[in-house]
Amino acid sequence: GQNIDQPTEMTATEGAIVQINCTYQTSGFNGLFWYQQHAGEAPTFLSYNVLDGLEEKGRFSSFLSRSKGYSYLLLKELQMKDSASYLCAVRRTGANNLFFGTGTRLTVIP
Amino acid sequence: DGGITQSPKYLFRKEGQNVTLSCEQNLNHDAMYWYRQDPGQGLRLIYYSQIVNDFQKGDIAEGYSVSREKKESFPLTVTSAQKNPTAFYLCASSGVTSTDTQYFGPGTRLTVL
Repeated sequence: GQNIDQPTEMTATEGAIVQINCTYQTSGFNGLFWYQQHAGEAPTFLSYNVLDGLEEKGRFSSFLSRSKGYSYLLLKELQMKDSASYLCAVRRTGANNLFFGTGTRLTVIP
Repeated sequence: DGGITQSPKYLFRKEGQNVTLSCEQNLNHDAMYWYRQDPGQGLRLIYYSQIVNDFQKGDIAEGYSVSREKKESFPLTVTSAQKNPTAFYLCASSGVTSTDTQYFGPGTRLTVL
């Protein structure tokens, strides 16, 4: 079976750094994705990790540890527009589809 | 512009009626997907297709049907057998290699009265 755990809600201050954690248990693993979703809109792709380590992309970084079943998304220099839900998803082996967590709703306050 | 279109953005139907949601992509992607999103539950996979004229059930296929007659199109029918059809429906597409990213359409919010 599959399971993904993320915190339901987080609050952080504009200009600060926030880390959103994701732990997963899957029968097969073929990569982990992070998406951003503003309320009522479609998810947009942020990052992809398939090997252990840190991937950096501007203000956003994502880390993966396959042995621990753990990933995090790091957002630096927070802006008000970063207020959104952040979805962690695991690609299942053999089926080429994604299993999503319930998402973390981030609120950035002034 | 390349992308995925879903129409309409909002759809209202009476209970007991079937309804078809459209999804079209011009990204030349082989794979297409349908997800359902309910408050607090994340995205759940309904059906997916990796090639024309072939599709597979996802995690919550009961009460839904799909077709894939053209590469660009993957319509979803919500039948009267679906117990709780009111939800936000998202279509996505991607290539078929293991590193390909899924890209999402704008979604259709279906409300069954």
